[in-house]
Amino acid sequence: KAGVTQTPRYLIKTRGQQVTLSCSPISGHRSVSWYQQTPGQGLQFLFEYFSETQRNKGNFPGRFSGRQFSNSRSEMNVSTLELGDSALYLCASSLGSGGGYTFGSGTRLTVV
Amino acid sequence: AQSVAQPEDQVNVAEGNPLTVKCTYSVSGNPYLFWYVQYPNRGLQFLLKYITGDNLVKGSYGFEAEFNKSQTSFHLKKPSALVSDSALYFCAVRDRDTGRRALTFGSGTRLQVQP
Repeated sequence: KAGVTQTPRYLIKTRGQQVTLSCSPISGHRSVSWYQQTPGQGLQFLFEYFSETQRNKGNFPGRFSGRQFSNSRSEMNVSTLELGDSALYLCASSLGSGGGYTFGSGTRLTVV
Repeated sequence: AQSVAQPEDQVNVAEGNPLTVKCTYSVSGNPYLFWYVQYPNRGLQFLLKYITGDNLVKGSYGFEAEFNKSQTSFHLKKPSALVSDSALYFCAVRDRDTGRRALTFGSGTRLQVQP
């Protein structure tokens, strides 16, 4: 079966711009979570969506937002980009119960 | 609050020797525990998980981990290391008893297997 698909794989943006990243979960998975990975802070939880509702949110500023569509695909948006937003953004999907999480290959965002 | 500690930034082992990557955790309730591996410029690849039951968990590629509740540890092990095991390994925890589904990750341990 197809895995978690994240698009695009790479992005270069300028400070002050906004960006939208996309994640298509495994078919049948209703939970999508987003994580930010940086060399300095490691892997940090951004937010989780289940059936189009945000269930959990990490400790990130309001510039980071997300949404989930009825087909479980999710997008995250970062507005007013800062240099520190440069990171690998990972999406993970799960069935929504106590099972594991399957991660996508990530989107590498570079802010210049 | 939940946390994970991976005390070693790097572990070096010779090919064919056993390997151990250490992980200790802290949660207020009962844990779900996970190990993931990351290769360069890739996402996280699932290795194994502990949900409940048998303390010894067997996973992908010959890896296993032992859940020790009294020591709050979940060390990753493999009897015979391969050069292809060289990668970055992450331990993660989630509290089973809360509604919060966020994973908390350790800082990662780089495993280097020498031929």
